[in-house]
Amino acid sequence: NAGVTQTPKFQVLKTGQSMTLQCAQDMNHEYMSWYRQDPGMGLRLIHYSVGAGITDQGEVPNGYNVSRSTTEDFPLRLLSAAPSQTSVYFCASSYPGGDSPLHFGNGTRLTVT
Amino acid sequence: GENVEQHPSTLSVQEGDSAVIKCTYSDSASNYFPWYKQELGKRPQLIIDIRSNVGEKKDQRIAVTLNKTAKHFSLHITETQPEDTAVYFCAASAGGSTLGRLYFGRGTQLTVWP
Repeated sequence: NAGVTQTPKFQVLKTGQSMTLQCAQDMNHEYMSWYRQDPGMGLRLIHYSVGAGITDQGEVPNGYNVSRSTTEDFPLRLLSAAPSQTSVYFCASSYPGGDSPLHFGNGTRLTVT
Repeated sequence: GENVEQHPSTLSVQEGDSAVIKCTYSDSASNYFPWYKQELGKRPQLIIDIRSNVGEKKDQRIAVTLNKTAKHFSLHITETQPEDTAVYFCAASAGGSTLGRLYFGRGTQLTVWP
């Protein structure tokens, strides 16, 4: 049981490049989400999904796309990287219903130069 | 949407002392309030949570209290130890059309000095 697995752990991009952050969970969780963490800002929700085929925007969705073709996977795409997207990104999953603990992945540290 | 405020942003205590972190929330429909601990370079991990039908919950040295009328909840750590040093986040679940979303406070850096 691996929990929530994120890849890569570290990534450096040049401005304008695109990339996909991968997230997979093996707990059969319907709810999956992406957060970014910046110093002093806490964890801010980028996008989330309540099940396969369903996604919605969080607090800071601009510049990011997501899709949910399977229950297990929830990739985050950066369309055209900007220095403002330098951050630590966490994927998280939980059972649905609004009162289940979030399980976080180990994070991806992204630097955009 | 929900707005969660957390205080203080930094907290330093001596080993053995108690630490209290307080959070307020704005959405009266919120009904789930977890606390996460994040050690340096690690992922956030759940340490305790409380649901709106309960006023207080304890787990060894940590406890959480909830006041739904005042819309605030607090984390209490007793007999602090150096390994309690971490950033602590409170969160509240959203109600209504965004049921299930968690909104986080900005975090409290707790430092426990030996």
